[in-house]
Amino acid sequence: EVQLVQSGAEVKKPGESLKISCKGSGYTFTIYWVAWVRQMPGKGLEWMGIIYPDDSETIYSPSFQGRVTISADKSISTAYLQWSSLQVSDTAIYYCATAGATANDAFDVWGQGTMVSVSS
Amino acid sequence: DIQMTQSPSTLSASVGDRVIITCRASQSISSWLAWYQQKPGKAPKLLIYKASTLESGVPSRFSGSGFGTEFTLTISGLQPDDLATYYCQQYERIPGTFGQGTKVEIK
Repeated sequence: EVQLVQSGAEVKKPGESLKISCKGSGYTFTIYWVAWVRQMPGKGLEWMGIIYPDDSETIYSPSFQGRVTISADKSISTAYLQWSSLQVSDTAIYYCATAGATANDAFDVWGQGTMVSVSS
Repeated sequence: DIQMTQSPSTLSASVGDRVIITCRASQSISSWLAWYQQKPGKAPKLLIYKASTLESGVPSRFSGSGFGTEFTLTISGLQPDDLATYYCQQYERIPGTFGQGTKVEIK
């Protein structure tokens, strides 16, 4: 079974750093793009960025460029989303999802989501 | 970015009704459109890709159509399990923008 399993919920203070993870299983992790999607409380879905795990080629949405870093460790089939300095406005659920063999593709498998709460 | 606009934002329908959700793109996206279902407290689930291709395992009461800038998702015979918010997404261009969502309520 193809699965993406994300790390658990986080509670942080403004200015702190954070790295959340997304581990793939049941398929060849390196050859399918992995995307990150944000959902702020009570709001819709936002495409943040996408990474090709085999060579770590990464494409960011202009809205998130410079605010987050996406990375991957193909040796452990895991993608990451990280912040160097969190803001209250980063409070959201973050999903990872697999696209296909190209970055322009629908997201066919989703992780369960990681809730990130940022508050002073 | 390509803008995606869904209508309506909310709809209420009875079990067995035919439900139609519309999604409009700000420029042509050919058939590069997906529909997702998100139930309360759950991750989104892919229903349809390439505008009209049903994802494996998705009930046949769901169907999609459209090309260019106008697309529809139809639920033929609404079921109680269909209570959810539905999102369209274009993937013709990066970033793959989503519509704002349509919340489907059961009367």
